[in-house]
Amino acid sequence: GDSVTQMEGPVTLSEEAFLTINCTYTATGYPSLFWYVQYPGEGLQLLLKATKADDKGSNKGFEATYRKETTSFHLEKGSVQVSDSAVYFCALSPPGGGGGNKLTFGTGTQLKVEL
Amino acid sequence: DAGITQSPRHKVTETGTPVTLRCHQTENHRYMYWYRQDPGHGLRLIHYSYGVKDTDKGEVSDGYSVSRSKTEDFLLTLESATSSQTSVYFCAIRTSGSGGSGANVLTFGAGSRLTVL
Repeated sequence: GDSVTQMEGPVTLSEEAFLTINCTYTATGYPSLFWYVQYPGEGLQLLLKATKADDKGSNKGFEATYRKETTSFHLEKGSVQVSDSAVYFCALSPPGGGGGNKLTFGTGTQLKVEL
Repeated sequence: DAGITQSPRHKVTETGTPVTLRCHQTENHRYMYWYRQDPGHGLRLIHYSYGVKDTDKGEVSDGYSVSRSKTEDFLLTLESATSSQTSVYFCAIRTSGSGGSGANVLTFGAGSRLTVL
């Protein structure tokens, strides 16, 4: 079945450092890929998405590129801020929305940004 | 902002008691989902609904049942709660993406924290 693998956390960075959170997936065909973010005490929010190979999703300074050849969707940000501290989830949904349009999530990566 | 509310937000109960969590939406979306969030597991799908009275199981459905008698409400029931069901439960609605687009964007509620003693 479909699966998503994320790097273990927590990831601790200093403010203005470069961020990479790795995400790889296993799925048939061309799934849609997502990054969600969860701030303390809140539900998940969509951060960015990509629906086909070589697409780049971007939002709030975060970027991720859909790499079919490496089945990856790594999240990057050039300069993190304390306010970026949160848990980040990589997720996929089947091509064409099949299977009830369900999302499969990775285990999440906690990011802590310090001054 | 998609209107989605969960209730109760916090609940403590004892093993063996029934528990019902409610998810309410105000925007008439067809698809609704219940996930549980546990450390080391991320979010795992319990059940989902694709219309009134149309539901299906997710990957961790044992011990849970759901009902959807109205478009706006999706109920999750633990018939006899166990300590392994202590978790944070999230409801989600599918807020964009037509059937063929594949862009299944979910909007999540704030979560319901359940503790089973």
